Amino acid sequence: QSVLTQPPSASGTPGQRVTISCSGSSSNIESNTLNWYQQLPGTAPKLLIFSNNQRPSGVPDRFSGSKSGTSASLAISGLQSEDEADYYCAAWDDSLNGWVFGGGTKLTVL
Amino acid sequence: EVQLVESGGGLVKPGGSLRLSCAASGFTFNSYSMNWVRQAPGKGLEWVSSISSSSSYIYYADSVKGRFTISRDNAKNSLYLQMNSLRAEDTAVYYCARSHGWTPSNYFDYWGQGTLVTVSS
Repeated sequence: QSVLTQPPSASGTPGQRVTISCSGSSSNIESNTLNWYQQLPGTAPKLLIFSNNQRPSGVPDRFSGSKSGTSASLAISGLQSEDEADYYCAAWDDSLNGWVFGGGTKLTVL
Repeated sequence: EVQLVESGGGLVKPGGSLRLSCAASGFTFNSYSMNWVRQAPGKGLEWVSSISSSSSYIYYADSVKGRFTISRDNAKNSLYLQMNSLRAEDTAVYYCARSHGWTPSNYFDYWGQGTLVTVSS
């Protein structure tokens, strides 16, 4: 059971906009910034969004993040086949004194 | 270019020990916190341990506390994870990841390719 809650799956057709939610608590998402990682099949995770809504250089602006209270979401607009991957949210937890991850969301591009 | 290369994984029997290493290059190693994150086969990411740039702050997940020890050698640009009393549930790919800054609570901005640890008799 992950500390952060994500839907196990999401899907969309090319060009569509999809959102992935991440729910936590006052000790993690509400108190600290939220980050998203993308893991393409068979590869290591890669930083996608940091500090709630910031994109590292090289990440397309089709990807955006937001946070409100104890929840956050990742939005992907103009969905492309290469976006098919697992997506994880993560935050530092002040109560656990460690990082907590969501269980991951498998995005399928139909 | 930032590079993180893990090594030391392999097959070990339950109750056994293993030491993972992560060789870092392309950045000033002693200025960054470092982390271990694992992923069991077909499962999600699980944070294992973090160590601050000067080793002053060390944190462990409850699942490994008392069995795993994280350490670093800034002179050798290397991160380590000593794993003792291994259990079947420790079977996973172990990733080395850099924190964006000196404190462990900064996000992971670079990841290694991972090393597989299999605990089985």
